[in-house]
Amino acid sequence: GAGVSQSPSNKVTEKGKDVELRCDPISGHTALYWYRQSLGQGLEFLIYFQGNSAPDKSGLPSDRFSAERTGGSVSTLTIQRTQQEDSAVYLCASSQSRGTGELFFGEGSRLTVL
Amino acid sequence: DQQVKQNSPSLSVQEGRISILNCDYTNSMFDYFLWYKKYPAEGPTFLISISSIKDKNEDGRFTVFLNKSAKHLSLHIVPSQPGDSAVYFCAASEFAGGTSYGKLTFGQGTILTVHP
Repeated sequence: GAGVSQSPSNKVTEKGKDVELRCDPISGHTALYWYRQSLGQGLEFLIYFQGNSAPDKSGLPSDRFSAERTGGSVSTLTIQRTQQEDSAVYLCASSQSRGTGELFFGEGSRLTVL
Repeated sequence: DQQVKQNSPSLSVQEGRISILNCDYTNSMFDYFLWYKKYPAEGPTFLISISSIKDKNEDGRFTVFLNKSAKHLSLHIVPSQPGDSAVYFCAASEFAGGTSYGKLTFGQGTILTVHP
């Protein structure tokens, strides 16, 4: 498709389980971002990729969170040993080169940790 | 410490009238500001932006005003249409001065409802 694609759209998991969220950016976009939106909050920056490297991981909340990007395209965000406070909508965005902040967002993956 | 604040959780406006959405920020290093619009079950979409070297930017029915001394920006929608009903997020970045990429700090959002 032409837009940013994320999967799954919804994920319900039990506390302590690991989850993987996938993002397929717009073709040709070298910059990729993960944000999350908790209930009633704004979007919170998690990590930025330029190509396959992540020069800014400053927003990852803990070492249970990790992300990788392969082939300069698809990215996976992994949350290990999920906690209830991880429940949120995880949004992926991409942009050409570094961009000015005019990001193209996917529809998000809603994670619910029971 | 919330660096970008949208103090109005919601706003209701009659069709044809002006909608004014407000945003305040605290970080004086922010030099690029954006508004995003979000419909339910969709990702945010970019609406309009402004650099700190300007105080106004206009795009059709949408105008963003920036008051650097007050650390305040606003989005004006004129005339408002029912299709404008959505959540509006204000965002800011230290683009020129630091990050040079899309690391944005977002406000909590304002739900705009435009009544026919």
